[in-house]
Amino acid sequence: DGGITQSPKYLFRKEGQNVTLSCEQNLNHDAMYWYRQDPGQGLRLIYYSQIVNDFQKGDIAEGYSVSREKKESFPLTVTSAQKNPTAFYLCASSIRGLATNNEQFFGPGTRLTVL
Amino acid sequence: DQQVKQNSPSLSVQEGRISILNCDYTNSMFDYFLWYKKYPAEGPTFLISISSIKDKNEDGRFTVFLNKSAKHLSLHIVPSQPGDSAVYFCAASGSGSRLTFGEGTQLTVNP
Repeated sequence: DGGITQSPKYLFRKEGQNVTLSCEQNLNHDAMYWYRQDPGQGLRLIYYSQIVNDFQKGDIAEGYSVSREKKESFPLTVTSAQKNPTAFYLCASSIRGLATNNEQFFGPGTRLTVL
Repeated sequence: DQQVKQNSPSLSVQEGRISILNCDYTNSMFDYFLWYKKYPAEGPTFLISISSIKDKNEDGRFTVFLNKSAKHLSLHIVPSQPGDSAVYFCAASGSGSRLTFGEGTQLTVNP
């Protein structure tokens, strides 16, 4: 089955700790994305990567870091510098990077709660 | 600067009736529009899309209408079913740009 997996489903972190969210895809997609969802604010783009070993900041990159060492993997680290990290995090991928007619496929999400 | 707006946070309809979800955009460079459906604690799933060269696209019970002059699109669901209850996001993109999402509309279909 082709798709996007995110782990864990629920994650709890103490304030001041870094935490890494996993995202893996076996769709052979070039591009991958990280979003966060907060109530009433839709999906906001954190980081995206159009190709291996390259990534760009989205609209709310402060306090986050990513890597793209392999095509199928795009982990997101939420650092202690992120002021309000409690949110629902969604990973997505698309066949190509920035292009029209570019449908994104989403993973099931990770709910991060900072205690 | 919210380039894609869904002004109705919620919508409630009776089973069997039509659901109409609306979306407005400000960026005239957007030329591709998508609707996603999202259940709680799950990722969004793609529903239907439309290119700016069209004004209507239909897929079963779902139809998307695009009014470029008004920078407005709408999603019609006919007939509505209880399983359609979810949050619906519209999204837009232009050549070389990433997807921009609206805030979402919570649709509730009552039996």
